[in-house]
Amino acid sequence: NAGVTQTPKFQVLKTGQSMTLQCAQDMNHEYMSWYRQDPGMGLRLIHYSVGAGITDQGEVPNGYNVSRSTTEDFPLRLLSAAPSQTSVYFCASSYSLAGVGSGGTDTQYFGPGTRLTVL
Amino acid sequence: AQKVTQAQTEISVVEKEDVTLDCVYETRDTTYYLFWYKQPPSGELVFLIRRNSFDEQNEISGRYSWNFQKSTSSFNFTITASQVVDSAVYFCALSEPSGGSYIPTFGRGTSLIVHP
Repeated sequence: NAGVTQTPKFQVLKTGQSMTLQCAQDMNHEYMSWYRQDPGMGLRLIHYSVGAGITDQGEVPNGYNVSRSTTEDFPLRLLSAAPSQTSVYFCASSYSLAGVGSGGTDTQYFGPGTRLTVL
Repeated sequence: AQKVTQAQTEISVVEKEDVTLDCVYETRDTTYYLFWYKQPPSGELVFLIRRNSFDEQNEISGRYSWNFQKSTSSFNFTITASQVVDSAVYFCALSEPSGGSYIPTFGRGTSLIVHP
């Protein structure tokens, strides 16, 4: 299993540009999430999905769109990049939504991260 | 007010010392979940543990142990006989059933430096 993969690893954008961060998992997990991590901060949830066709907003959804057309893929779109979106982005997946579900031993898996700089 | 407080910004120890990372949380819910994550210098995130609010049993996994005390709203993490490879930033997180979803709130992290 490749686990959770993210592309690209690094990206530099100019203000106003759009782009899509890719995330894929091969563990047949229903739950996928996008987080951003800013210096000196913990992670903040952007959007999450509880299954194909179902997405919902997290704590900081503005400026980002997501879709979940397949179980495997959960892309994150930046509509019009702003310097405030400079951050490291992590995608995660789990069998159940980390925090709920019946799986007491469920583990949340993270991708390697995408470091995004918006100039 | 922070929902998850990790008061220790940085801890420095010498190898083989025991070290405890503190986590204090705030919630009004009776059902909630607590987590610890590790982020080594390479930057990846590693999920360590999830604990639900109804299970106050302490957890031990090798050199790692977690002490959950609802009475003090704390979920502390102890590393026994620390090793250089334990050097990382450790995050504590709380997940509450806000509006039916469990959006996690993370602490700011504790940087652990283990010297040889």
